[in-house]
Amino acid sequence: DAKTTQPPSMDCAEGRAANLPCNHSTISGNEYVYWYRQIHSQGPQYIIHGLKNNETNEMASLIITEDRKSSTLILPHATLRDTAVYYCIVRAPNSGYALNFGKGTSLLVTP
Amino acid sequence: DAGVIQSPRHEVTEMGQEVTLRCKPISGHNSLFWYRQTMMRGLELLIYFNNNVPIDDSGMPEDRFSAKMPNASFSTLKIQPSEPRDSAVYFCASSFVGSEDEQFFGPGTRLTVL
Repeated sequence: DAKTTQPPSMDCAEGRAANLPCNHSTISGNEYVYWYRQIHSQGPQYIIHGLKNNETNEMASLIITEDRKSSTLILPHATLRDTAVYYCIVRAPNSGYALNFGKGTSLLVTP
Repeated sequence: DAGVIQSPRHEVTEMGQEVTLRCKPISGHNSLFWYRQTMMRGLELLIYFNNNVPIDDSGMPEDRFSAKMPNASFSTLKIQPSEPRDSAVYFCASSFVGSEDEQFFGPGTRLTVL
């Protein structure tokens, strides 16, 4: 799997959009970008994934640059419950392989 | 569906004792993963099964660790004998390879070895 680079921490005010960047310059053509998050003392939770088109679901939006070398996870209206560590993972889908979590970005949403 | 179920949620034991962690994956999933999380090393894979067969156990620290998946609905991770450095949170996850491959994680077992 390609390596990803994320900032170690970010802050965001409650109600504002949280934009979490991820660099994956060595991504291969068949690899997707996955985002998971881990709220304190809980198991990781899947958020969203995409190949090259922007994706949106009930939790977040994923913006992938045209060259696919970077992406941004957007939480449109952050709440205190979004405080968590966010992991950007690049991997081929349907591979059955484990996730390489890395260190992620610790997002703190403040009142 | 109740999601991935792990037991016990907390385990405190003394060095040298045998520890068995249990996992029930989501019904219909064909892959199961055991991860370990510590402050020093973060989340790391220990072993994963596909269709009940171990595929990659390269993350298993040493012979003291063993994992089994006797059927599609149950897996165990055993540590014998346990050591203080095994203290960590152990997560089980399952997925269905062939779909979007999203992994669903259990709540974890917090193990403390004294």
